[in-house]
Amino acid sequence: SQTIHQWPATLVQPVGSPLSLECTVEGTSNPNLYWYRQAAGRGLQLLFYSVGIGQISSEVPQNLSASRPQDRQFILSSKKLLLSDSGFYLCAWSFGGSTDTQYFGPGTRLTVL
Amino acid sequence: DAKTTQPPSMDCAEGRAANLPCNHSTISGNEYVYWYRQIHSQGPQYIIHGLKNNETNEMASLIITEDRKSSTLILPHATLRDTAVYYCIAHSNYNQGGKLIFGQGTELSVKP
Repeated sequence: SQTIHQWPATLVQPVGSPLSLECTVEGTSNPNLYWYRQAAGRGLQLLFYSVGIGQISSEVPQNLSASRPQDRQFILSSKKLLLSDSGFYLCAWSFGGSTDTQYFGPGTRLTVL
Repeated sequence: DAKTTQPPSMDCAEGRAANLPCNHSTISGNEYVYWYRQIHSQGPQYIIHGLKNNETNEMASLIITEDRKSSTLILPHATLRDTAVYYCIAHSNYNQGGKLIFGQGTELSVKP
């Protein structure tokens, strides 16, 4: 079976500091990978998605970047965090295809002070 | 992806069936109806999805109207652990990498 991991679970960072969040998937090959952010309230916003190593698509221009150095590893980064980067960051994966059900990780709660 | 409309909140007695409605009147022919739920401070959990036919799995049943303009998620015997926000999403991955558009969902409270 497939498993998705995210770390850290929680993070408190000062404004202007760098960020690196990691997501890994086990039990499948060549998954589609996604980074979402959930700000205050309930809505999830897609930030980046990747259909393969080195292939990253950005949905929203922002202070963040993503990389996929290995098939099942997806990294979310920032050089200098802003207060507005606070939120709940969720990684998801899917097999791809016509239905493309996405499965989410446990999330990272980021607070920028 | 088509927009969906759900009631903001619902209550259900423990052990009873929870019926969560969703309207998706502008759904297109290649869009599936997906249901996810999110328990507080956790990642969304996939529940079920369907295109035209009713679907059932170990978690829930999905009833889609014949015109596909609305659907109902049924939790047959709700427990306290089913308390969560439930999201109905009309989604097509016709273009690979399609994003899920989460609305405000329905906050289901299961009460003893």
